[in-house]
Amino acid sequence: DIQMTQSPSSMSASLGDTVTINCLASQDIGNYLSWYQQKPGKSPKLMIYGATNLEDGVPSRFSGSRSGSDYSLTINSLGYDDEGIYHCHQYYEYPYTFGAGTKLELK
Amino acid sequence: EVQLVESGGGLVQPGRSMKLSCAASGFTFNNYDMAWVCQAPKKGLEWVATISYDGSSTYYRDSVKGRFTISRDNAKSTLYLQMDSLRSEDTATYYCARFGGIQDFDYWGQGVMVTVSS
Repeated sequence: DIQMTQSPSSMSASLGDTVTINCLASQDIGNYLSWYQQKPGKSPKLMIYGATNLEDGVPSRFSGSRSGSDYSLTINSLGYDDEGIYHCHQYYEYPYTFGAGTKLELK
Repeated sequence: EVQLVESGGGLVQPGRSMKLSCAASGFTFNNYDMAWVCQAPKKGLEWVATISYDGSSTYYRDSVKGRFTISRDNAKSTLYLQMDSLRSEDTATYYCARFGGIQDFDYWGQGVMVTVSS
């Protein structure tokens, strides 16, 4: 199975900051990597797909990038609405696997 | 508007069965692969199973192979998950999700809780 190592597990940042969340794939997954935001008690929301593509309706403050097997989600100009847990997900091959999640809190 | 509405969860004893349903609307159901994803309390997301748009192909995570069956009724725009021989470790919120191809799981249901306990 493909392992997705996500870091950090939690982070705290201030309003207006820029934060980056990372996922390392244990083998090649091409661009079959997505990022989800999940708020307490809610279902996940697709933010980025295909490693770098912004889902419709997602603010342009969010961006995704790739360097080899390293994938990153960057959030610029952090706002209170950005709090939540972020999950990376590989859909290159079965079994599909998720990272362990990053809890983002605002100070 | 795309909507996915799960039903059928609840409390079940270990070893027993439960069937989840997911009613889809707002899109052409038989054009899309569909999936179930679960999340144990305070844990991360886990893909459970996927079924192709026409039901001809199914895929499962190892821990549920032989116990869970994903199926669909395209005439009713409904996805199912039959869960047999349930274990305590199956306790989770189960989400149905539409697989948008390169767009991955682009729509999710609100989730349904399944608790396996005696």
